[in-house]
Amino acid sequence: GENVEQHPSTLSVQEGDSAVIKCTYSDSASNYFPWYKQELGKGPQLIIDIRSNVGEKKDQRIAVTLNKTAKHFSLHITETQPEDSAVYFCAARLSGGGADGLTFGKGTHLIIQP
Amino acid sequence: NAGVTQTPKFRVLKTGQSMTLLCAQDMNHEYMYWYRQDPGMGLRLIHYSVGEGTTAKGEVPDGYNVSRLKKQNFLLGLESAAPSQTSVYFCASREGTDTQYFGPGTRLTVL
Repeated sequence: GENVEQHPSTLSVQEGDSAVIKCTYSDSASNYFPWYKQELGKGPQLIIDIRSNVGEKKDQRIAVTLNKTAKHFSLHITETQPEDSAVYFCAARLSGGGADGLTFGKGTHLIIQP
Repeated sequence: NAGVTQTPKFRVLKTGQSMTLLCAQDMNHEYMYWYRQDPGMGLRLIHYSVGEGTTAKGEVPDGYNVSRLKKQNFLLGLESAAPSQTSVYFCASREGTDTQYFGPGTRLTVL
């Protein structure tokens, strides 16, 4: 099965600086890579995703990059704000699995220092 | 449009007791999922369903059963709860696109 590694487990940055979270996956057949944000006491919420036929995707302050050869993908948050503080999860899904669920990384606790 | 809802929000059980967690979605999604979240472990797939009347095992299915009698509902059952099943349980659903929508979670403690 798929295995997803996520680093770092905790990331503290100054407000206004950029944050980068990195993930690697094991199965080259994976073709869908979402990122979820989870606030305390709430369910994960999709913030951005990327498919294997695309190398980069941006949505305002958030971007995701994918390197299929190296089997890693990264989340970039620019101009961080206090409301960006949360736990972020990367995930991967195998192609052709159809109904199979996502395989998640263990999460990164992002702390935005004022 | 409430999205994905879960009942109950909190529950405390004693070892050996049984209970059912309910997930409901009003988006007419075919696929539904149950995950558990433990500290430092991320989310792990327990069971999933590709449509009404179907279920399948995920990564960590032992000790759980599921049913999908109606398209909008996906039930997760614990027949004999164990302390190792103390966790936060999340339900999710999706349609033809890849995006999974998660519910708010159920926090279960087994004493």
